[in-house]
Amino acid sequence: DGGITQSPKYLFRKEGQNVTLSCEQNLNHDAMYWYRQDPGQGLRLIYYSQIVNDFQKGDIAEGYSVSREKKESFPLTVTSAQKNPTAFYLCASRGLAGGNLAKNIQYFGAGTRLSVL
Amino acid sequence: ELKVEQNPLFLSMQEGKNYTIYCNYSTTSDRLYWYRQDPGKSLESLFVLLSNGAVKQEGRLMASLDTKARLSTLHITAAVHDLSATYFCAVGRNEKLTFGTGTRLTIIP
Repeated sequence: DGGITQSPKYLFRKEGQNVTLSCEQNLNHDAMYWYRQDPGQGLRLIYYSQIVNDFQKGDIAEGYSVSREKKESFPLTVTSAQKNPTAFYLCASRGLAGGNLAKNIQYFGAGTRLSVL
Repeated sequence: ELKVEQNPLFLSMQEGKNYTIYCNYSTTSDRLYWYRQDPGKSLESLFVLLSNGAVKQEGRLMASLDTKARLSTLHITAAVHDLSATYFCAVGRNEKLTFGTGTRLTIIP
């Protein structure tokens, strides 16, 4: 089945530790996104990438890093500089703009819930 | 800076009643999306609205867009328990989406 796979589902981080969240898609989408969701709030954009080997900061990029070495993969690292990392992290992807309207929609993975030990 | 505001933030409705969720945004945009999120789950796409006056309907949900007023509405008709969820609107501009804070909808039997 085509879709977006995020792993792990739950993740615990120790103080001072970097952790990496995985996001893989087999939809052949060009653009990928990382969002953070805090309880009772909307989604805030961390980073996004429109093509391989290129990415841009979103609204809350501090304390996070990403890479886009393959079209299918867009891992997010939560670094020790992120002092309040506890949140629900959602990865999304989107196909090319124009043409098929459905390709303008961002499709989301199931999310990773990160907590601090 | 694009701002997206939803209201109400919380909504309890009785089954069978009608209600509307409002989404206001501050600047012109390419498109408007509605998503649904069940507790602890991911987001599911409901509607994409592209032009002024656009209306989309799926079952008991109907979404509309007024680009001049920078307003979208999500109307719920004859609510049923299965519609209990959090509903987000999101405004697209360039390659990014800006989300509203969400409306937590609870349908009471």
